[in-house]
Amino acid sequence: EDQVTQSPEALRLQEGESSSLNCSYTVSGLRGLFWYRQDPGKGPEFLFTLYSAGEEKEKERLKATLTKKESFLHITAPKPEDSATYLCAVLLSGTYKYIFGTGTRLKVLA
Amino acid sequence: DVKVTQSSRYLVKRTGEKVFLECVQDMDHENMFWYRQDPGLGLRLIYFSYDVKMKEKGDIPEGYSVSREKKERFSLILESASTNQTSMYLCASSHRLASNTGELFFGEGSRLTVL
Repeated sequence: EDQVTQSPEALRLQEGESSSLNCSYTVSGLRGLFWYRQDPGKGPEFLFTLYSAGEEKEKERLKATLTKKESFLHITAPKPEDSATYLCAVLLSGTYKYIFGTGTRLKVLA
Repeated sequence: DVKVTQSSRYLVKRTGEKVFLECVQDMDHENMFWYRQDPGLGLRLIYFSYDVKMKEKGDIPEGYSVSREKKERFSLILESASTNQTSMYLCASSHRLASNTGELFFGEGSRLTVL
């Protein structure tokens, strides 16, 4: 069964305290892995797409990496404005089907 | 700026009412999606459309129907709302996969409460 699991469920960091969010997946075929940011009461906002193991993408304080079994979203020196829920999704090969994880709720304290 | 617009941010309806949720995108995307998002369950696909008048059932289509008469507009219909349809509904769109990287663009969401 195709599955995407995110951990931890929730994370509290002090401002400047770097950490990583995990997205592990078991799927029949991977076309792409996506990271989204979602603020309370709003729709998800696209951050990154990764396609193959070893690939890395960066944007400001965020860096996403991909292996054959998991992806990490590294947050370096986070700020309170990075507080949000971060969602991971996998697009299955040859389909339009996206499998979403349940997200990691990140809270960055000033 | 690319945009997916959902017509209602918040709705309160009564059990048995017919509910329409509308979504419009201005990016000329072929694909449009309706998801519902519930705590602990993540996003679950209700219906997907890859072209005008074309639709496919997602993982949880029961109790819902959709309409896509124009490329830019995708409507979700709850024929007879029930309390277990209280949820956040998210519309998304994307280009046809062969020509793009596959990312979804989401609307702001419609929070539906059924009493």
